[in-house]
Amino acid sequence: DSGVTQTPKHLITATGQRVTLRCSPRSGDLSVYWYQQSLDQGLQFLIQYYNGEERAKGNILERFSAQQFPDLHSELNLSSLELGDSALYFCASSVEAGGGGELFFGEGSRLTVL
Amino acid sequence: GQNIDQPTEMTATEGAIVQINCTYQTSGFNGLFWYQQHAGEAPTFLSYNVLDGLEEKGRFSSFLSRSKGYSYLLLKELQMKDSASYLCAALLMNRDDKIIFGKGTRLHILP
Repeated sequence: DSGVTQTPKHLITATGQRVTLRCSPRSGDLSVYWYQQSLDQGLQFLIQYYNGEERAKGNILERFSAQQFPDLHSELNLSSLELGDSALYFCASSVEAGGGGELFFGEGSRLTVL
Repeated sequence: GQNIDQPTEMTATEGAIVQINCTYQTSGFNGLFWYQQHAGEAPTFLSYNVLDGLEEKGRFSSFLSRSKGYSYLLLKELQMKDSASYLCAALLMNRDDKIIFGKGTRLHILP
């Protein structure tokens, strides 16, 4: 158990819908990262937050947004869903902002868009 | 652009040694991670190299050459449970900091 909690574990929805994925980092970790993993693309970096502030952005689509709350949990919002958004979404946390520390990954949220 | 390359799949025999290579072309490179990911599970940390050279940790060792943009993960005395994907990832520190991953190498262990 990494100490990172993600909900829901599985989610099935339809195209055009909107979903919210939630992540609670390990106790004491200030950085939260979101990654998307699909079969042929590997882990794609989406966005990173540190202590409530956006720290780094990857190839995150405009239909996607995220935030980190004062209690340090984070939410990833995916809207106007398309079939291609079906993937495993991982949240990871670390102590440091600079990313030099180990990332601890949650179990992931598997999103299926029908 | 930022690019990390590693072989898609490798096969090795139980008890043997295997080396998984990773090359990267990035800007702002600061260090190289290796993670292990079993099918359907979360990635777990194996190693982090900042300086050139070999770091050994039990049956696993990781090597980095910053001048060559090259790293490898060496797995010794392979066990069936080592069947997994191995992900190479680079820490990039530019205007912002990010960790980007290669597509992973799926390692199959044969008895």
